[in-house]
Amino acid sequence: QVQLQESGPGLVKSSETLSLTCTVSGGSVSSGSYHWTWIRQPPGKGLEWIGYIFYSASTKYNPSLKSRVTISADTSKNQFSLNLGSVTAADTAIYYCATEGFAAQGYSYAFSYWGQGTLVTVSS
Amino acid sequence: DIQMTQSPSTLSASVGDRVTITCRASQNINNWLAWYQQKSGKAPKLLIYKASSLGSGVPSRFSGSGSGTEFTLTISSLLPDDFATYYCQQYNSYSYTFGQGTNLEIK
Repeated sequence: QVQLQESGPGLVKSSETLSLTCTVSGGSVSSGSYHWTWIRQPPGKGLEWIGYIFYSASTKYNPSLKSRVTISADTSKNQFSLNLGSVTAADTAIYYCATEGFAAQGYSYAFSYWGQGTLVTVSS
Repeated sequence: DIQMTQSPSTLSASVGDRVTITCRASQNINNWLAWYQQKSGKAPKLLIYKASSLGSGVPSRFSGSGSGTEFTLTISSLLPDDFATYYCQQYNSYSYTFGQGTNLEIK
């Protein structure tokens, strides 16, 4: 059973960089069996996929955020992180880390495990 | 990006009712479709993956069907715990997208 826990500042100033970390237990960020993922949800709104990292170094990002996003992994701490640059009020959201697991046959189990989420507010 | 459209946006129902939520994709996503349940203040919970496979520990009153561009989530007999918001999500294309959500409320 994979468990995930987000951590990081709850308040970020406009134009600065939002940085969050997800600590993983019950799975390895080095594993190719998972996509380690960030998803966000503005208050009262729907879900937006931000991107993922796998094999601790390969990444895919949402094209709408790609120019501002970096996802990285620290295998020594079994953590992966999100950096989102040049934030504005539109980036205020609950940020979730999640895992997309894969069966031996190669198909995805979708987002089976989620962290509890952390609210990040962008202030002017 | 593939657009996902859920209907209805809000659904009013009673305990014991059978309800169906529909999700339409803007292009063929084969069966790479998941459904999630989200309660207020909580993270989403996976219900269905690969359009019709039940997630771990999910009660059998939940079922999913469809392929291509049209999908449904059915709850066979509503329990009080089922009143929540439901999201579909496609993972056919790597730029994953979610539906806008369906709020299932008590009538």
